[in-house]
Amino acid sequence: GAGVSQSPSNKVTEKGKDVELRCDPISGHTALYWYRQRLGQGLEFLIYFQGNSAPDKSGLPSDRFSAERTGESVSTLTIQRTQQEDSAVYLCASSLIHRGYGYTFGSGTRLTVV
Amino acid sequence: QQQVKQSPQSLIVQKGGISIINCAYENTAFDYFPWYQQFPGKGPALLIAIRPDVSEKKEGRFTISFNKSAKQFSLHIMDSQPGDSATYFCAASRSNDYKLSFGAGTTVTVRA
Repeated sequence: GAGVSQSPSNKVTEKGKDVELRCDPISGHTALYWYRQRLGQGLEFLIYFQGNSAPDKSGLPSDRFSAERTGESVSTLTIQRTQQEDSAVYLCASSLIHRGYGYTFGSGTRLTVV
Repeated sequence: QQQVKQSPQSLIVQKGGISIINCAYENTAFDYFPWYQQFPGKGPALLIAIRPDVSEKKEGRFTISFNKSAKQFSLHIMDSQPGDSATYFCAASRSNDYKLSFGAGTTVTVRA
C-alpha cells in the first residue's frame, strides 16, 4: 500500500477485556516496529519484526502483550486482560531495511481502557 | 531510563517568529539524529535528520544545529507559520541499529 495502515483508529474497551490491534505495513518493507505513545510522553519501543520473526521483544511491558506477523506483511499486537495503564496510542512503523532511518509510521490506534 | 531529553514541553510563538526546541542525549554511540513532526490524529513523519559529521543542516525553514561535544542538538523553525503547529519529537539512534530513542515531545503552537 501507499502507507502504513492501522486499524482500528480508535478502540474503547472495558478493563479486563482482550484487544487486537492491526498493522498493514508498506508493501515490501521487511522490518516492522510497534511503539507506544502515552499522553505527554515520547514513543516507547515495544517490538521489532524482521520478516516474520521478532528478534527483539524487549519493550513489551508484560506477558499480557504479544505480537505476531504473518507473510512478511500484516502484524497484530494483542493485549490480554487490559488495564487502565494500557491506555495509549499504539503506533506501527515499517522500513525497507532494519535501520532507525527510513521509518514510516501509521496513524496509530488510540486505545482507551475504561 | 530516558536516553534523549527534550525541552521545552510546549511553546507558543507568534507567526513569523522563531521556534527553538532542544534535545540532549547520553549515549555517545548515537550517530543519527532525526526530528519528527506529528499532527493530531496522525503518526510522526520524518522532518529532517542530521549525522554528527556536520554541525548544521538546513531544509527550508527548518534547521538542525548539532553540538557533539555537548551531546546536544536543536531544531530551529524560522518564520514560523500556523501550519507548523504540531508536536515535534527528537530522536537518536546508532546507524547500525533499528531502534529509535525518542524525546518526550514539544507541542508548538503558532499564533496568527
